[in-house]
Amino acid sequence: EVQLVESGGGLVQPGGSLKLSCAASGFTFSGSAMHWVRQASGKGLEWVGRIRSKANSYATAYAASVKGRFTISRDDSKNTAYLQMNSLKTEDTAVYYCTRQDTALWGQGTLVTVSS
Amino acid sequence: DVVMTQSPLSLPVTLGQPASISCRSSQSLVHSDGNTYLNWFQQRPGQSPRRLIYKVSNRDSGVPDRFSGSGSGTDFTLKISRVEAEDVGVYYCMQGTHWLITFGQGTRLEIK
Repeated sequence: EVQLVESGGGLVQPGGSLKLSCAASGFTFSGSAMHWVRQASGKGLEWVGRIRSKANSYATAYAASVKGRFTISRDDSKNTAYLQMNSLKTEDTAVYYCTRQDTALWGQGTLVTVSS
Repeated sequence: DVVMTQSPLSLPVTLGQPASISCRSSQSLVHSDGNTYLNWFQQRPGQSPRRLIYKVSNRDSGVPDRFSGSGSGTDFTLKISRVEAEDVGVYYCMQGTHWLITFGQGTRLEIK
């Protein structure tokens, strides 16, 4: 089955860290860039960042709101993409989705809550 | 960053009537490869986004033909020819042409 499954969300204090995972199946993961997109409760979609494939040197790009705090990586041997989130702020509270390069395939999302 | 501006932000529609959503970009979305990477998404309550239209006017598999996309350059439109109850949700445009991807604010479609 072609799918993406996010995991790793939870409650974390401001200033803390969390690492999300996105497990892919049913397509050639290694050849696809992967995006992370987030959505705060009742708000719109916000692109977080992207990692390209090995053929594109695993190049990454980030939204200004997370640059320097978040890092996207991937392990093609595990068909998994990651989002390392450091120095978390209350405004990072959101459902985090991963999506494939073409944005035709999305996971179910994982909720991150940053609160004391 | 490229700013994507949708209008209207709220769209009450009578069942069976047409609906139209506008999306304007602050820069041209024509890529150097000649393609225009403008997608439309539907997000039903409690669900993940679902891509409806890619590269301006190409409908995804399984998307009813009452949905259509058009436009060029900086001005794009999503049209629903006859709204059905299952179309309730929020619609987003997204540009993938420029290095940093951006979404529109979303348009909430509701049944009048």
